[in-house]
Amino acid sequence: AQSVTQLDSHVSVSEGTPVLLRCNYSSSYSPSLFWYVQHPNKGLQLLLKYTSAATLVKGINGFEAEFKKSETSFHLTKPSAHMSDAAEYFCVVSGTNDYKLSFGAGTTVTVRA
Amino acid sequence: NAGVTQTPKFQVLKTGQSMTLQCAQDMNHEYMSWYRQDPGMGLRLIHYSVGAGITDQGEVPNGYNVSRSTTEDFPLRLLSAAPSQTSVYFCASSSRTPGTDTQYFGPGTRLTVL
Repeated sequence: AQSVTQLDSHVSVSEGTPVLLRCNYSSSYSPSLFWYVQHPNKGLQLLLKYTSAATLVKGINGFEAEFKKSETSFHLTKPSAHMSDAAEYFCVVSGTNDYKLSFGAGTTVTVRA
Repeated sequence: NAGVTQTPKFQVLKTGQSMTLQCAQDMNHEYMSWYRQDPGMGLRLIHYSVGAGITDQGEVPNGYNVSRSTTEDFPLRLLSAAPSQTSVYFCASSSRTPGTDTQYFGPGTRLTVL
């Protein structure tokens, strides 16, 4: 079984400052990990994924995440927030060949001008 | 490509009514899934399909039926709607198992059951 905990339900940042969204996971085997973003009233879009290749994963729109097995973490970062980054972000875990994804509860990001 | 499409976008039902949420994809994906999204709970898997004619239950299947007669379509049926089924429903598809491949999500159906 696997599960995901997103440590912050809401993060507020100023435009141009770094963004950090924290995610811890538990999995009984080597996991695949994803970050998805959902803009208001839209479907989910993949930001990036880790599937046992490089531990530092680069995604779209300047986001990246680092897989740390020893800490069972997969935190998402962006060096400089933009107003368009205001959205809800989901950390997701799965077994590599699994049909089922386990979603975290989500982190809502607000960007202040 | 239209990607993953869902209809309707909004629906209001009375308790006990039945309805079908439609989902279609034009990417020739084998894997399709239905999720529901509730505040503070992320997305939870209702049913999924690994190909035409093959479906299986997810985390929260009670009160829902699915079928997959073609690769393109994966409708979700509510048999007798209940207020607990008020939610936003998302359909998703992928070319390989969701654990290895990007899932493409539809825009969602917002359902209210009175």
